[in-house]
Amino acid sequence: NAGVTQTPKFQVLKTGQSMTLQCAQDMNHNSMYWYRQDPGMGLRLIYYSASEGTTDKGEVPNGYNVSRLNKREFSLRLESAAPSQTSVYFCASSESSGVNYNSPLHFGNGTRLTVT
Amino acid sequence: AQSVAQPEDQVNVAEGNPLTVKCTYSVSGNPYLFWYVQYPNRGLQFLLKYITGDNLVKGSYGFEAEFNKSQTSFHLKKPSALVSDSALYFCAVRDSWAGLSGRDDKIIFGKGTRLHILP
Repeated sequence: NAGVTQTPKFQVLKTGQSMTLQCAQDMNHNSMYWYRQDPGMGLRLIYYSASEGTTDKGEVPNGYNVSRLNKREFSLRLESAAPSQTSVYFCASSESSGVNYNSPLHFGNGTRLTVT
Repeated sequence: AQSVAQPEDQVNVAEGNPLTVKCTYSVSGNPYLFWYVQYPNRGLQFLLKYITGDNLVKGSYGFEAEFNKSQTSFHLKKPSALVSDSALYFCAVRDSWAGLSGRDDKIIFGKGTRLHILP
């Protein structure tokens, strides 16, 4: 059971370049999330998707777009990367609907992105 | 909007001593509270959660947490620390009314507390 899989694990971009971070889960979870982790800032929510076909902004959405391609996949796109987007990005999923609303998050191992 | 505060950036505890990692929260409705642990170069792992009921909840690796509604706190505790407990710990909150009412369904994390267990 793979859980939550993120690709790539590492990426270096130049300012202005674009890229898409991929995330897939095999647990049939309804909700998926993208967080970024920065020293001293903890985890900050970028976007989330409560169900297939819906996406909503989190705490720090500027400079990012997302696509909930299907129930399994939730991608994060940087259209024009900036050095301020240098961070570790985590995807997570949760069975958070109905009686399972209080289910915990399952995290991927992260993507370390550097923008020069 | 919900928020979480972890007032200590770092906590140092001698091995064998009890440990406490502090967390306070703010939500509009009733809170669902979580603790996660992160080891180097890994994603976060779930430790325990409070939904309702007993204020003392038990979780993985001997950890427990005490919910205090009047103080809006959810401190993580362990009676006897191990060196292997050294890691980064995150508290998180979800508003239990949000998803059920169709409002924002965000899970918000604190900034994290680095726990050092000294041999």
